[in-house]
Amino acid sequence: DIVMTQTPSSQAVSAGEKVTMSCKSSQSLLYSENKKNYLAWYQQKPGQSPKLLISWASTRESGVPDRFIGSGSGTDFTLTISSVQAEDLAVYYCEQYYDTPLTFGSGTKLEIK
Amino acid sequence: EVQLVESGEGLVQPGSSMKLSCVASGFTFSNYGMNWIRQAPKKGLEWIALIYYDSSSKYYADSVKGRFTISRDNSKNTLYLEMNSLRSEDTAMYYCAKGGLWGWYFDFWGPGTMVTVSS
Repeated sequence: DIVMTQTPSSQAVSAGEKVTMSCKSSQSLLYSENKKNYLAWYQQKPGQSPKLLISWASTRESGVPDRFIGSGSGTDFTLTISSVQAEDLAVYYCEQYYDTPLTFGSGTKLEIK
Repeated sequence: EVQLVESGEGLVQPGSSMKLSCVASGFTFSNYGMNWIRQAPKKGLEWIALIYYDSSSKYYADSVKGRFTISRDNSKNTLYLEMNSLRSEDTAMYYCAKGGLWGWYFDFWGPGTMVTVSS
């Protein structure tokens, strides 16, 4: 199974600050035939179901603010929020879909100071 | 607008069975793979099963293999999860999620349905 490791487990920032969170996979998520990374990011706000933010490591979903930026390749990935807003309070999960079983990281909880 | 609505919420005893349903609307259900994902109270996300658009292939997490069965009825736009031999560790919110067009990411999620396994 591909193990996904997210760090930090929680982070507190002030509104307007930039925040980065990491997701590392135990094996490469880069598929050589299409040069795509099989990595997604989700946001789960309190009391809600998760929402897809980014697929293919860096492709933002329609309607997702451009302050959310996904980057990385292979085994190391990053989600950056360029200027955190109060509504970004949530847990952020990465997911690999390179192979079954599909696996998630344990999440990064973002708190707003 | 894509909508996924799960049902089948309830409290059941260990060892018993339960069937969840997820009714889909707002997209061509028969064109997309579908998934079940669960989240134990105060815990992270765990993918448990997927089914191809035409039911030709199904995959399961080891934690549910042999006990849970995923199925679908494209004529009814409905996804199912049959759960047998339930254990306390199956207690979770169960989400139905639509697969992406070209990959097994989850682009739409239902609000979830809570399953509690307890005596």
